[in-house]
This record gives sequence, C-alpha cells and structure tokens, in this order.
Amino acid sequence: AQSVSQHNHHVILSEAASLELGCNYSYGGTVNLFWYVQYPGQHLQLLLKYFSGDPLVKGIKGFEAEFIKSKFSFNLRKPSVQWSDTAEYFCAVILGSYIPTFGRGTSLIVHP
Amino acid sequence: GAGVSQSPRYKVAKRGQDVALRCDPISGHVSLFWYQQALGQGPEFLTYFQNEAQLDKSGLPSDRFFAERPEGSVSTLKIQRTQQEDSAVYLCASSPRDSLNTEAFFGQGTRLTVV
Repeated sequence: AQSVSQHNHHVILSEAASLELGCNYSYGGTVNLFWYVQYPGQHLQLLLKYFSGDPLVKGIKGFEAEFIKSKFSFNLRKPSVQWSDTAEYFCAVILGSYIPTFGRGTSLIVHP
Repeated sequence: GAGVSQSPRYKVAKRGQDVALRCDPISGHVSLFWYQQALGQGPEFLTYFQNEAQLDKSGLPSDRFFAERPEGSVSTLKIQRTQQEDSAVYLCASSPRDSLNTEAFFGQGTRLTVV
C-alpha cells in the first residue's frame, strides 16, 4: 500500500525565514504529487502539483517543490515566509488508483 | 456555486443517532471522493465515485458507513448508529476527470461531533 510521510508535524518560524517541508512516499512507480494548504477556517487548496516534466515545480504565493525520484521525495520550499503563510500543509500522492493519499500534515506557524 | 459545497457545516449527534452528510460537487466533475479527517491528522480516504458508480469503498471503517451518488452529481455519506470515534471532519472532493493527471477540489467539510 502506498504511504506518504511528512517528517515535520509542527514548524515555527519568524517572518522572512526560509521554509522547507519534507515529503516522502513509498511507491516506486509513476506518481503524481501535490501540495495542498489549509488556512485557518478554510478548505484545502492546491498549492502546486507535479505530473511530469521539469522536476522543479513552482506554485502559488512563491512556493516551489522539487521532485527527486531517486529519493522518493517532493519537498516544499519557500525562500522567505510571511505571517499569512500560517496554515496546515499536506502532501498528497496519486498512483494508479486515481485516489489521492495524504500525509498527516505539517502545522506551520509564522511569527510576525 | 463555483466550488464544492458541503452541508451541514457542523453536526452534533447523540451516540446511536443516524446522520447524513451532503456533498454538492463542482458541476460536471466526474470523480468524487469522501475523506475523514481526525484532529491533527491528514485526510483519510473513505470512498470514491466515478459518476454514479462507487468504484472503491475500501476506506469505509465499518458497515455503519454508507455512501451514494445516484445521479452522478450530489453525494450523501450516511453514518448509522454513530459512535464517539466517528467524530471527525468529513471532507468531500471532486475532480473533472477520471485520470491521474488532475487535481481534486475540496469542500469546507462537515465537522461531526458525537456526544
């Protein structure tokens, strides 16, 4: 069975700090990868996605992620976080079943 | 509406009561998913529809859980004889195609509290 691991469950940063959230998955075949964000009181929204092509993917709000096939990883990065980035971040994977599988999430708090 | 709509937003049920949670997907979306999200956890898959066909219900935790999408649009998740461990946020998502290369769009969820 596929699984998705997010290593950091709680991250606290100051504004302007750099962010990297880890995501690893357990399947070795073709994958589609996603990062979703959930702001307080809002629904899950797509940050970025990788289907094929350039392994460095740029998303909304200055976020990017890099797919490293040899490491089964899809880490999320942002060079300089803002207070408004405070949210829950979820990595998700789709394999042949068409069903997205989610990691347990990372809670990010950014202090102004 | 433009997005996935779920109702009610909040539901408090007494243990043993039956509940029904509704999902209105984005119009025309083929795929529909239900997830259960416990506090501090990621969404856990419950069931998947492609149009009106329930193609995967492997995530339903017990036979008290039942989902349907009779006309391929609106879906209902029903929980019979609710238990305290059913307390969670139930998320519905839809996507436009039944392929790998598509994202899911989520509703705001229904927070179920069983007392």
